[in-house]
Amino acid sequence: QSVLTQPPSVSAAPGQKVTISCSGSSSNIGNNYVSWYQHLPGTAPKLLIYDNNKRPSGIPDRFSGSKSGTSATLGITGLQTGDEADYYCGTWDSGLSAGVFGGGTKLTVL
Amino acid sequence: EVQLVQSGAEVKKPGESLRISCKGSGYSFTTFYITWVRQMPGKGLEWMGRIDPSDSYTNYSPSFRGHVTISVDKSITTAYLQWSRLKASDTAIYYCARQYSGASHDYWGQGTLVTVSS
Repeated sequence: QSVLTQPPSVSAAPGQKVTISCSGSSSNIGNNYVSWYQHLPGTAPKLLIYDNNKRPSGIPDRFSGSKSGTSATLGITGLQTGDEADYYCGTWDSGLSAGVFGGGTKLTVL
Repeated sequence: EVQLVQSGAEVKKPGESLRISCKGSGYSFTTFYITWVRQMPGKGLEWMGRIDPSDSYTNYSPSFRGHVTISVDKSITTAYLQWSRLKASDTAIYYCARQYSGASHDYWGQGTLVTVSS
């Protein structure tokens, strides 16, 4: 069981918007920054969002992040078939003194 | 260009020892933590532990503490993940990653597949 809870799967049509939630607690999301990753099979994970809502250079503004209390959300607009991947949230857990990831969400672009 | 280059795939037997590596280049190696992440077959990412290359200070996930050892040789900008006695359940892809702002990870190695089978 992951410390952070994500829905196992989400789906939407090309061009539409989708959101992926990540739920935690005060020891992790509630008091630490959240990051989001895109992971395609056979490749290294890619950082999409850091510090809750910042995008690294090269990440399009179709990807956005937000945080409220002990939950965080990744938003993807203008869905493309190339966005089909697994998405993970991550943060630091102050109680564990360790990093934690969510269980991952598989995005299907129908 | 920042790069993390990991050692190649390994096939080992249960009970054997193993050390895999992650060589950083293109940045000040001692400035950023290196994290190790596991992905078991068909499963998600798991944060295993991290090391501060400047002083070798480590943090481990409770799930991995005592089962693996993370070390570093800053003279050759390389971090290591080590097992003393492998189990079949250690079969996985292992990634190293550079810890960036807010415990995010901005650069990742290509992954090392470890297969443990009798």
